[in-house]
Amino acid sequence: EPEVTQTPSHQVTQMGQEVILRCVPISNHLYFYWYRQILGQKVEFLVSFYNNEISEKSEIFDDQFSVERPDGSNFTLKIRSTKLEDSAMYFCASTASFVEKLFFGSGTQLSVL
Amino acid sequence: GQQLNQSPQSMFIQEGEDVSMNCTSSSIFNTWLWYKQDPGEGPVLLIALYKAGELTSNGRLTAQFGITRKDSFLNISASIPSDVGIYFCAGLPSGNQFYFGTGTSLTVIP
Repeated sequence: EPEVTQTPSHQVTQMGQEVILRCVPISNHLYFYWYRQILGQKVEFLVSFYNNEISEKSEIFDDQFSVERPDGSNFTLKIRSTKLEDSAMYFCASTASFVEKLFFGSGTQLSVL
Repeated sequence: GQQLNQSPQSMFIQEGEDVSMNCTSSSIFNTWLWYKQDPGEGPVLLIALYKAGELTSNGRLTAQFGITRKDSFLNISASIPSDVGIYFCAGLPSGNQFYFGTGTSLTVIP
């Protein structure tokens, strides 16, 4: 069964460093998302991406964050200068259309020291 | 942002018992999704609902899209130990941003 894949599974970085989280959405999907989950809390929306541009973003998704679809298969989340509070599990998700089922990857655990 | 209230927050039940949980919103939603999340893993989609009043089953799981479009329910029948995890609802009001509930932590005692 097709799945969303994310790499790396764990990322440890120093505060102030840039990180890039990578995702390969399901191949025929058109809508891509990043969510994050701080330990013990609910899943929070960061950004949605469709037709090579951001369609919605949350207050969390400030100027330090950016997304890119550099080729036909990858979807990346960049955090320019990480902060301690960026430590969380980051999930990529994709769906074929915006009212359809949303499928998640297994996440990247980001730890900012 | 949208607030989804999910209850109960946690449940401790005996194996074999049935489970019910629900999500409510102050706004109308067009789609409801139910997920299960194991520790350190991503949410896994269990059931998707698209129409008010819709009742959908997936094995021992049954979910309903509330008539008012402001709520949804998930039932698990005859619980087993592997049902342990956190269950999240997610709703789509408009646009393409799904909002997640606060989760229900389920513990099944053998």
